[in-house]
Amino acid sequence: AQTVTQSQPEMSVQEAETVTLSCTYDTSESDYYLFWYKQPPSRQMILVIRQEAYKQQNATENRFSVNFQKAAKSFSLKISDSQLGDAAMYFCAYRSGNTDKLIFGTGTRLQVFP
Amino acid sequence: KAGVTQTPRYLIKTRGQQVTLSCSPISGHRSVSWYQQTPGQGLQFLFEYFSETQRNKGNFPGRFSGRQFSNSRSEMNVSTLELGDSALYLCASGETSTEAFFGQGTRLTVV
Repeated sequence: AQTVTQSQPEMSVQEAETVTLSCTYDTSESDYYLFWYKQPPSRQMILVIRQEAYKQQNATENRFSVNFQKAAKSFSLKISDSQLGDAAMYFCAYRSGNTDKLIFGTGTRLQVFP
Repeated sequence: KAGVTQTPRYLIKTRGQQVTLSCSPISGHRSVSWYQQTPGQGLQFLFEYFSETQRNKGNFPGRFSGRQFSNSRSEMNVSTLELGDSALYLCASGETSTEAFFGQGTRLTVV
């Protein structure tokens, strides 16, 4: 069975600084996707970034980028130039290639200080 | 395009009652998944439906059931409610090989 582990329950960063959230996963599959979702206090889950396992290039979306280490089964999220609006719970998620079922990590609460 | 719509947003029920939650996916999406979110257990997968067929089921008791209609709208039902069923229930829609888009959730409180 696939598992997703987020070892940092809480992280904090100063506005305009950079922070990295960690995620590791375990799978024996070759076809899968990885995601980072953000859940602000409104509880709406918002997609931050996605990575296809077959792509070697790390995904980037504006201030958000990932470090995808397939052999190490690691998928960290880097947030650059942090903003107050980035404060939220961040969930790492895994999805097999032939399903829409998401397996989530336990989440990391990110605080951003002015 | 309208997003994923979940109704109702909030619900209070008594132990032993049953409840039905609704999810309308983004137009054109054939896949709907349901998740339960609690402080203790985190986000747990309930079911996945694709074109009216249950494609995957999570590890929940038989009191939890769901279905999907021909227009892709989905409902989940919880019978004989227990206090531990109090949670945020999230619905997501998508097409395989794309990302899942989530609704705002239904907050269920069982008293």
